[in-house]
Amino acid sequence: GDSVTQMEGPVTLSEEAFLTINCTYTATGYPSLFWYVQYPGEGLQLLLKATKADDKGSNKGFEATYRKETTSFHLEKGSVQVSDSAVYFCALSDHGNTGKLIFGQGTTLQVKP
Amino acid sequence: KAGVTQTPRYLIKTRGQQVTLSCSPISGHRSVSWYQQTPGQGLQFLFEYFSETQRNKGNFPGRFSGRQFSNSRSEMNVSTLELGDSALYLCASSLYLVSPLSEQYFGPGTRLTVT
Repeated sequence: GDSVTQMEGPVTLSEEAFLTINCTYTATGYPSLFWYVQYPGEGLQLLLKATKADDKGSNKGFEATYRKETTSFHLEKGSVQVSDSAVYFCALSDHGNTGKLIFGQGTTLQVKP
Repeated sequence: KAGVTQTPRYLIKTRGQQVTLSCSPISGHRSVSWYQQTPGQGLQFLFEYFSETQRNKGNFPGRFSGRQFSNSRSEMNVSTLELGDSALYLCASSLYLVSPLSEQYFGPGTRLTVT
């Protein structure tokens, strides 16, 4: 079945460092790909998405490019802030009429001042 | 516009009891999905409802059930609670029957602890 694999955390960075969180997927069709962020004590917020190959999603300085050839959707940010500390989830959904999202295990990011 | 609300936010139950969780979607949203989040299994899809009909179901035992009302509010019920049901239960709503182009908005979740 479809699955998502994320790099294990926690990831600890200093403020203004470059961030990469790796995400790869396995899917039979042509899924849409998402990054969600979860701050402590809160639900998930959609950070960015890409619906087809070579699409680049971006939001709040975060970017991810849908790479079909490597089945990847790595999250990047050029300069992280303390406020970016959270858990990041990569997810996919297929193109059928379903709301089912398949999530990776999540990667905890801690940014130190 | 108010976001997705879930009640209660925290709940403590005893093994063997049953529990009902409630989700009110964003006004105008007709689709509601439920997820279970645990440290061991991560986020797992429970069910999806649209126009009071269950459209999709995850791989959970029959003790987990849900429904959606005509105002799009949804409830999920877990009967005969087990310790392993302790989790954060998240509800998400979207405007249409969910497709990849229809963004899902998540509520803050209900933290269920089974003792």
